[in-house]
Order: sequence, then structure tokens, then C-alpha cells
Amino acid sequence: GENVEQHPSTLSVQEGDSAVIKCTYSDSASNYFPWYKQELGKRPQLIIDIRSNVGEKKDQRIAVTLNKTAKHFSLHITETQPEDSAVYFCAASGPGGGADGLTFGKGTHLIIQP
Amino acid sequence: SAVISQKPSRDICQRGTSLTIQCQVDSQVTMMFWYRQQPGQSLTLIATANQGSEATYESGFVIDKFPISRPNLTFSTLTVSNMSPEDSSIYLCSVTGGAVGGYTFGSGTRLTVV
Repeated sequence: GENVEQHPSTLSVQEGDSAVIKCTYSDSASNYFPWYKQELGKRPQLIIDIRSNVGEKKDQRIAVTLNKTAKHFSLHITETQPEDSAVYFCAASGPGGGADGLTFGKGTHLIIQP
Repeated sequence: SAVISQKPSRDICQRGTSLTIQCQVDSQVTMMFWYRQQPGQSLTLIATANQGSEATYESGFVIDKFPISRPNLTFSTLTVSNMSPEDSSIYLCSVTGGAVGGYTFGSGTRLTVV
């Protein structure tokens, strides 16, 4: 089955700087790659996603890049703010057109230092 | 986007008993999934709840321990059977398809087994 590796496990950045979180996946058939933000005690919230036919996607301060050949994808957050502090999870889903569940990475605890 | 109601939000249960968790969506969805999130860890897919047929379980999860129902396109239940302290986790339902783009999560059920 799919295996998703996520690095780093903890990331501390100064407010205003950029943060990058990286994930690799094992199943070349996976074609959907979402990123979730989870604040303490709350549900995971989808912040951005990308499909395998696209190399990059942006939404304001957040961007995701995908390298299908290398089987890795990354989350980029620019101009970080205190409210960006949370745990971020990457995930991958197979080719079932939404019929497959998600395999998650272990998460990155992002700390924004004021 | 779809509104997902999950009940109960939390419970404390005695070992050896069972708890049924409900997931109700305010619109028809194609797929419903159940995940477990152990304290401080990532999310693990338990099973896919198939409408009108038996659920599809991931490796390490079995029907006798986690029976699942999905009688229609908006509702599913997960039962945690014969509970032990190791079952203490957050259980989350997730949906996709229909009016839901991507995978959306319910608010979770925090289960403590004593």
C-alpha cells in the first residue's frame, strides 16, 4: 500500500519568514495530494491540494509543488504569521477517483516565533 | 461545503464495552471513511464505509472490532467493540463526492477507555 513520509517533524521559523514542508510517497498510481492544517483539539482542515496533472498550485500565501517523477510534493508558506502555528499533514490518495481513502504523513509541528 | 455532524463529541467508557459513533452529512456524498488519530499522532484510515454493502477495511483493522454501517448516502456509524485502553483515540469520519470537493472531516469523537 501507499506510504507517505513527511519532514521535518518540527519546524520553527521567525514570523514573516517562509516555511517549507516536504513529503514523499511510494505509490506511483497516487494522483491526489492534499495538505491539512490541524490546530489543537480541532479537526483537520484542508488548506490546499494538488492533482497529479498539475505541477504547482498557489492560494495567496500558500503553494504546493508536485514532482511526479521523484514522487515528492512540498508545502510552501510565505510571510508566516502567528496564526500559521499548527500541525500540518500531507496526504496521498490513489487513482480511484475519490473512492480511495487518504494515507497521511506523520505531521509537521510548525511554530511561528514572534 | 457539506456540514458533517459527528456524535458523540467525546465519551469515557469502561473496558469491555462498545461505543457507536454516528456521522451525519447534510448532503449526499459519494464516499465516507473512518479514521483513527491516536494522541499526538497522525491519522490512520480504518475503513471505507460502502453504502448498502460491507465496509472495506485497511490492514490491521477487522470487522469484528470495528463494525461499520452505511445505510444511505448521508449517514454512517462506526462501533468500537470490546474496548480496551489501547482504543483511546480520536475517531473521525471523512466524506468526499457529491457537493464535497476534496476530503472533509467531521469534528471527531474523543474516546477514553478506562
